[in-house]
Amino acid sequence: KAGVTQTPRYLIKTRGQQVTLSCSPISGHRSVSWYQQTPGQGLQFLFEYFSETQRNKGNFPGRFSGRQFSNSRSEMNVSTLELGDSALYLCASSFPTGGGTQYFGPGTRLLVL
Amino acid sequence: DAKTTQPPSMDCAEGRAANLPCNHSTISGNEYVYWYRQIHSQGPQYIIHGLKNNETNEMASLIITEDRKSSTLILPHATLRDTAVYYCIVRLDTGANSKLTFGKGITLSVRP
Repeated sequence: KAGVTQTPRYLIKTRGQQVTLSCSPISGHRSVSWYQQTPGQGLQFLFEYFSETQRNKGNFPGRFSGRQFSNSRSEMNVSTLELGDSALYLCASSFPTGGGTQYFGPGTRLLVL
Repeated sequence: DAKTTQPPSMDCAEGRAANLPCNHSTISGNEYVYWYRQIHSQGPQYIIHGLKNNETNEMASLIITEDRKSSTLILPHATLRDTAVYYCIVRLDTGANSKLTFGKGITLSVRP
């Protein structure tokens, strides 16, 4: 079974731009969670989607948003990028209804200049 | 979710067992103990989890004390590829809770 895939793997943007990251969960998994990892703050939970609905949300500003499609694929968007948004963004999926073991993708490395 | 405490780092010799401790003294009766590891700049990798019984899989063994206030992850024969940050996480497994709360983890260095 293929693992969690994330695209793109690397991205460079400038301040003020917006960015969209994509995540394809493991086949059959319906819950997708997003995390941000920075050297200063470590791994932090952004939000979780299940059945196209946001079910949990971390403590991030409204510039961070996401959505989930009917095939369970998910996207997250960051608008008005700031230098501090430079991070590794990780997606994780779980089966069957969330609350189960999460499996992580390789991440998208975002650099904001 | 209960908080976990791990030492910041440890090392072990290649081929020897690596025993990684974790304290979770405020764990509640229905919270699970999960272990993940992260090799530099990669996504975290699931290792093992358990509730109260000891667990073993192809990667590691998880020993949970009887009072469940601490646990130990055992890598039976550490290799250089096991050098990574290991996270011990306590989580309530319900249908509506997928969130994992990561601490700083423990950095394991395996030396030749």
